Amino acid sequence: DVKVTQSSRYLVKRTGEKVFLECVQDMDHENMFWYRQDPGLGLRLIYFSYDVKMKEKGDIPEGYSVSREKKERFSLILESASTNQTSMYLCASSFLQGLRGNTIYFGEGSWLTVV
Amino acid sequence: AQKITQTQPGMFVQEKEAVTLDCTYDTSDQSYGLFWYKQPSSGEMIFLIYQGSYDEQNATEGRYSLNFQKARKSANLVISASQLGDSAMYFCAMKSNTGKLIFGQGTTLQVKP
Repeated sequence: DVKVTQSSRYLVKRTGEKVFLECVQDMDHENMFWYRQDPGLGLRLIYFSYDVKMKEKGDIPEGYSVSREKKERFSLILESASTNQTSMYLCASSFLQGLRGNTIYFGEGSWLTVV
Repeated sequence: AQKITQTQPGMFVQEKEAVTLDCTYDTSDQSYGLFWYKQPSSGEMIFLIYQGSYDEQNATEGRYSLNFQKARKSANLVISASQLGDSAMYFCAMKSNTGKLIFGQGTTLQVKP
């Protein structure tokens, strides 16, 4: 059974804390993505990675960084959490090329509250 | 820059009727893929339908069809014979040939009995 697993479903952190959100996939996918979902704004791409140690900024990278040291793991890092980063964070993965399928797999989401 | 726009924040439809959810996109890529996803209140993302930019026929999956108008850069989702279980948030998405995947703002659909 294919899976994208996000390490934490619910987190509460204090302003200024460093926060790590982990995402692991077991499908040998090249692409991995981090989004945040906010009401009325849909899913906004923060960062994506198309290979180990390779990353590209999405539409809202400010205040975030990412790490992909191994193919199966993509970490989102909030260097200094702020209240405006309170949101639901969603990880996804897929093959790079559609020839092996166009299916995108999603994690269950991580609800982060920054107080 | 690539962009997906869903202009309908909320839609209502009567049970058993058809409904169209709008999606327009902007890209300079020649090769891309378009997706629709359903997100019920539980939060999971459910794949509905996929259309490749070179596909000549509009995609269909059961009660879902994608009205693909390439020149207009639109990829509207048509749900026929709406059911109460169709009430959910619907997202349009585009995957570029670099693998970048972006989503629209979403449309909340409510099906009335």
